[in-house]
Amino acid sequence: NAGVMQNPRHLVRRRGQEARLRCSPMKGHSHVYWYRQLPEEGLKFMVYLQKENIIDESGMPKERFSAEFPKEGPSILRIQQVVRGDSAAYFCASSATEQFFGPGTRLTVL
Amino acid sequence: EDQVTQSPEALRLQEGESSSLNCSYTVSGLRGLFWYRQDPGKGPEFLFTLYSAGEEKEKERLKATLTKKESFLHITAPKPEDSATYLCAVPGLGSQGNLIFGKGTKLSVKP
Repeated sequence: NAGVMQNPRHLVRRRGQEARLRCSPMKGHSHVYWYRQLPEEGLKFMVYLQKENIIDESGMPKERFSAEFPKEGPSILRIQQVVRGDSAAYFCASSATEQFFGPGTRLTVL
Repeated sequence: EDQVTQSPEALRLQEGESSSLNCSYTVSGLRGLFWYRQDPGKGPEFLFTLYSAGEEKEKERLKATLTKKESFLHITAPKPEDSATYLCAVPGLGSQGNLIFGKGTKLSVKP
């Protein structure tokens, strides 16, 4: 049973470009969560989605960030017009009960 | 405001030297406490869930316990491969999907 999959594992963008991060949940899981981990900081919750629904986006920045989990395909975290402060590791988790995490996408903004 | 505080920030042990990591929390109505292990460059790996005071869970050299205010992760006779950052988390207000994480304890076990 494959775990949570994320791609790309590493992403480099220049300021002002768009970043798209993908997450495929574990088989049988219909809940997806996105977290951000800044250097020397803890994991911070961003958004919780079920298929075609955003359940909780209380941790999402109000601008430039969006997330979706379509009926078919992976969940996408989209960051528009990236800035250097967006450089971080972004983790996706999925759950039936406990949350299981993917390996993360490390975003570097030049 | 819900908070999770872990101590110590870093812990260095010799192989075989047992110790404990602490996670204290302030939440309105605990709905579970989770322990994870994170290796450098990887995602957190689920270890335990605890739901009520007095509950204990064990896995190999690790044992997690829970009181009304804090949780402990006891490491018995650690080995170098136990070196990692250990994270605890609790669900925040609102959706149970919103996990609040502590900053972690970085454990180093020397042979």
